Amino acid sequence: GIQVEQSPPDLILQEGANSTLRCNFSDSVNNLQWFHQNPWGQLINLFYIPSGTKQNGRLSATTVATERYSLLYISSSQTTDSGVYFCAVDTGRRALTFGSGTRLQVQP
Amino acid sequence: ETGVTQSPTHLIKTRGQQVTLRCSSQSGHNTVSWYQQALGQGPQFIFQYYREEENGRGNFPPRFSGLQFPNYSSELNVNALELDDSALYLCASSSGQSANTEAFFGQGTRLTVV
Repeated sequence: GIQVEQSPPDLILQEGANSTLRCNFSDSVNNLQWFHQNPWGQLINLFYIPSGTKQNGRLSATTVATERYSLLYISSSQTTDSGVYFCAVDTGRRALTFGSGTRLQVQP
Repeated sequence: ETGVTQSPTHLIKTRGQQVTLRCSSQSGHNTVSWYQQALGQGPQFIFQYYREEENGRGNFPPRFSGLQFPNYSSELNVNALELDDSALYLCASSSGQSANTEAFFGQGTRLTVV
């Protein structure tokens, strides 16, 4: 099956800093989503981005499908950005395969 | 438009017992998928239901089973619970017919098996 690798596994930032999270995948995908998992376990949809670039406030994402990677950019980070960020892909079965996540801690 | 809701939010069961978890899909969605998330890991796909039929299954044993009802809500049943079944169980809904397959998740059910 498809392999999804996220990097870095852990990231500690000072409030106000910028960061880039990476997701590499091993096969063509129909769907790629970025999620933020809050401390209570809820997966919050950030982006549905099988290709191209999208922006939503301080967050933006780019997927280069031909090179099989996606990037999530967080600018001017806030303590509320802390949590685990997951990349998940769908190869056409409509079942998502998740990476192992990037655990982000933003310190005040 | 209502989001995905799951019940209960927390559950404690004894090894060997059976458990049923419930999920109501988002309005307009006819596809429900279930995922298991062990501590410190990413969610793992269990199975998917589309129009009341199982439409794909991950690497989980037959004691994990499910149902989907005519209103597209779904149940996950786990028989003969084992300690390793302790996890966060997440339900996701999506539209099975549109090209946009974006999945939306419920808040999860945290199952502890003792």
